[in-house]
Amino acid sequence: KNQVEQSPQSLIILEGKNCTLQCNYTVSPFSNLRWYKQDTGRGPVSLTIMTFSENTKSNGRYTATLDADTKQSSLHITASQLSDSASYICVVSAWAAGNKLTFGGGTRVLVKP
Amino acid sequence: DTEVTQTPKHLVMGMTNKKSLKCEQHMGHRAMYWYKQKAKKPPELMFVYSYEKLSINESVPSRFSPECPNSSLLNLHLHALQPEDSALYLCASSQGQGGTEAFFGQGTRLTVV
Repeated sequence: KNQVEQSPQSLIILEGKNCTLQCNYTVSPFSNLRWYKQDTGRGPVSLTIMTFSENTKSNGRYTATLDADTKQSSLHITASQLSDSASYICVVSAWAAGNKLTFGGGTRVLVKP
Repeated sequence: DTEVTQTPKHLVMGMTNKKSLKCEQHMGHRAMYWYKQKAKKPPELMFVYSYEKLSINESVPSRFSPECPNSSLLNLHLHALQPEDSALYLCASSQGQGGTEAFFGQGTRLTVV
């Protein structure tokens, strides 16, 4: 069964600090992995999308890494800002899965001043 | 234009009402999706339309009825809903199959009373 596990479930960090979120997946055959940011009550917004051959991708202060061998990804937030408070969702798609995406449970990040 | 527009943003309806949620995109995407999201949970896929034809129905109760009038529009017709159907309903679109990036709308917050 295709699964995506994220850790931690939630974390609190101080403004200006860095943090790293983890994503492990068992989706096969792997097509791509995406990280989304979702503010409460709003739709998810794409941060990065990576295919099998990509190890790292950045979007401003967000840097995602992918290890397709160990089926792990991470999202690193640098110099956190209050506006980074949100849920971060790891989403994986598989080839021949039609248009179905497998969502992780998300990590809720709270940035405090 | 990379927007997926959903209307209304908020909807309160009684269990005997009939209402519709609307979704629109002008990115030329040929796949459109409906998701249901409960608080602190990841989105759950409901329906997928590919080239204006229903390609995936995740065993959704018949009180939810999707419709794709054309390649830019996606509707979700609601009838005889239950209070447990209260959730954030998200529309998304992508260029094609699961390997392409999905863009989400801001969602409709539905409350069934």
